[in-house]
Amino acid sequence: KQEVTQIPAALSVPEGENLVLNCSFTDSAIYNLQWFRQDPGKGLTSLLLIQSSQREQTSGRLNASLDKSSGRSTLYIAASQPGDSATYLCAGPNQAGTALIFGKGTTLSVSS
Amino acid sequence: DTAVSQTPKYLVTQMGNDKSIKCEQNLGHDTMYWYKQDSKKFLKIMFSYNNKELIINETVPNRFSPKSPDKAHLNLHINSLELGDSAVYFCASSPIGQGILDGYTFGSGTRLTVV
Repeated sequence: KQEVTQIPAALSVPEGENLVLNCSFTDSAIYNLQWFRQDPGKGLTSLLLIQSSQREQTSGRLNASLDKSSGRSTLYIAASQPGDSATYLCAGPNQAGTALIFGKGTTLSVSS
Repeated sequence: DTAVSQTPKYLVTQMGNDKSIKCEQNLGHDTMYWYKQDSKKFLKIMFSYNNKELIINETVPNRFSPKSPDKAHLNLHINSLELGDSAVYFCASSPIGQGILDGYTFGSGTRLTVV
């Protein structure tokens, strides 16, 4: 059964810092992993999707990596800004590939 | 705009009532889902439909009944609402059952409050 864990649960940093959010999963046979952003009271915005054949994906200041052998993914945010404050969720497919299983998220607060 | 759209955005109702939440996607995706986000912000799959066929029903009370009239719509009907049903419900879609190529797209959520 796929389980997804995210650490830390919460993170507060000053503006400008580079930071890493961690995600681990139990089923290493996953074929992709997706990172989302959720702002308070809002829906989910897809940030990055990494296929199992890829080791990382980049979008602007965001870089996500995937290491299937260790069951880990990281989301790297460079030069953090107050606008990055949100909850970041990682999700991978369940073993049947019929739904996404989410971690509980990391709530990021970037102060100016 | 291409998107997954849900209505209503907010729903406040009394215990015991029956209510529906509608979802539509114009992305041409084959599979649609309902997720529930509880008070602790944890997102959990409820139902999955592929081309109008039920794929997943994750230990959800039978007071919840999804209906998919076509592959672009997946509505959620809830009977005899209880206080514990208060949550944010998200609709989502993916291109094929496994979301391999383009991942999942989520709607903006429906905040249900049962009083």
